[in-house]
Amino acid sequence: SYELTQPSSVSVSPGQTARITCSGDVLAKKYARWFQQKPGQAPVLVIYKDSERPSGIPERFSGSSSGTTVTLTISGAQVEDEADYYCYSAADNNWVFGGGTKLTVL
Amino acid sequence: EVQLVESGGGLVKPGGSLRLSCAASGFTFSSYSMNWVRQAPGKGLEWVSSISSSSSYIYYADSVKGRFTISRDNAKNSLYLQMNSLRAEDTAVYYCAREEGPGNPDYWGQGTLVTVSS
Repeated sequence: SYELTQPSSVSVSPGQTARITCSGDVLAKKYARWFQQKPGQAPVLVIYKDSERPSGIPERFSGSSSGTTVTLTISGAQVEDEADYYCYSAADNNWVFGGGTKLTVL
Repeated sequence: EVQLVESGGGLVKPGGSLRLSCAASGFTFSSYSMNWVRQAPGKGLEWVSSISSSSSYIYYADSVKGRFTISRDNAKNSLYLQMNSLRAEDTAVYYCAREEGPGNPDYWGQGTLVTVSS
């Protein structure tokens, strides 16, 4: 089975750049997605195909990929960006989520 | 607007059964594969099961195989999850999620809480 590894937490001050990494062998051959989840809410797609941003997602959210690692970057993080972030990929009819990263902005 | 609304959660004893439903609207339900994903209290996301648009392809996580059954009724725009032989470790919020393409989840419902406890 595949695994995706994320840091458990990242902390930045408002206006700084937050970077969250996700590593896994599957990422060398499959695209990744990123979901944002705020407390008590459903996950929201913020990045797909490693670096594409859905409509309605602020431009400060971006994604990149290199080898077996993908990175979610939030440029000029705002207090409202504080949430859990999950990377995701799929292979061989299995959906795989990373363990999640708690982003603190304060 | 895509909407997914789960229902059917609640408190059930170990070994019991529960049937979850997900009502879909705002898109052509019969054209999309659908999935169930769960989240135990304070934990991360775990994929549970997926079903193709015509129910031809069905997959389960090893943790629920043989106990859970996914199904859908395209005429009613509804997705279901029949959960049998429930265990304490099945306690979680269960989300239904749409696949915009193979293995590509996009929209999620708000979830329904299942608590397995004596």
